Amino acid sequence: NAGVTQTPKFRVLKTGQSMTLLCAQDMNHEYMYWYRQDPGMGLRLIHYSVGEGTTAKGEVPDGYNVSRLKKQNFLLGLESAAPSQTSVYFCASSTTTSGRGEQYFGPGTRLTVT
Amino acid sequence: EDQVTQSPEALRLQEGESSSLNCSYTVSGLRGLFWYRQDPGKGPEFLFTLYSAGEEKEKERLKATLTKKESFLHITAPKPEDSATYLCAVQGAYGNAGNMLTFGGGTRLMVKP
Repeated sequence: NAGVTQTPKFRVLKTGQSMTLLCAQDMNHEYMYWYRQDPGMGLRLIHYSVGEGTTAKGEVPDGYNVSRLKKQNFLLGLESAAPSQTSVYFCASSTTTSGRGEQYFGPGTRLTVT
Repeated sequence: EDQVTQSPEALRLQEGESSSLNCSYTVSGLRGLFWYRQDPGKGPEFLFTLYSAGEEKEKERLKATLTKKESFLHITAPKPEDSATYLCAVQGAYGNAGNMLTFGGGTRLMVKP
């Protein structure tokens, strides 16, 4: 049981390049989330999904797109990277079981945009 | 809009010196308050969920408590391995179909031997 995994762990992009971050979970969770974490800003929600084929915007969605074609995977895309998107990105998942609202996080992807 | 404020931002303790971390919050209908531990270079690790005022939960040297306006994470006789950033988050009950969390900025705890 690996929990939540993220690929890649590190990435350096040039301004304008595109990339996709992959999140996978093996806990059969319905809900999945993408956050970014910046010094002094805490964790901020980018997009989330309440089930296969569904996505919704979070607090800071601009410049990002997501897709959830399979229940276990949640992809985060950057179409044209900007230096402001330099950050650490975390994926998380949670179940819909009543009283179990906690989210479980992956190890993170450190992205640098030059 | 849900808000979470954690204090202090950083805390230095000697090994064995007990202390408390504070998490103040405002939320429209509290579904749950969550504490996480985050080590450098890693993702947040779930510690506790508190659901209603007066509730307490313990894990080793950590005890979390909850009132209607704040939560405390009490650390008793800390050890160097307790050094980490502790994050607090709230989950509102209204208009939150996605079970979203609002996080505070965290408290960075350093325990010296």
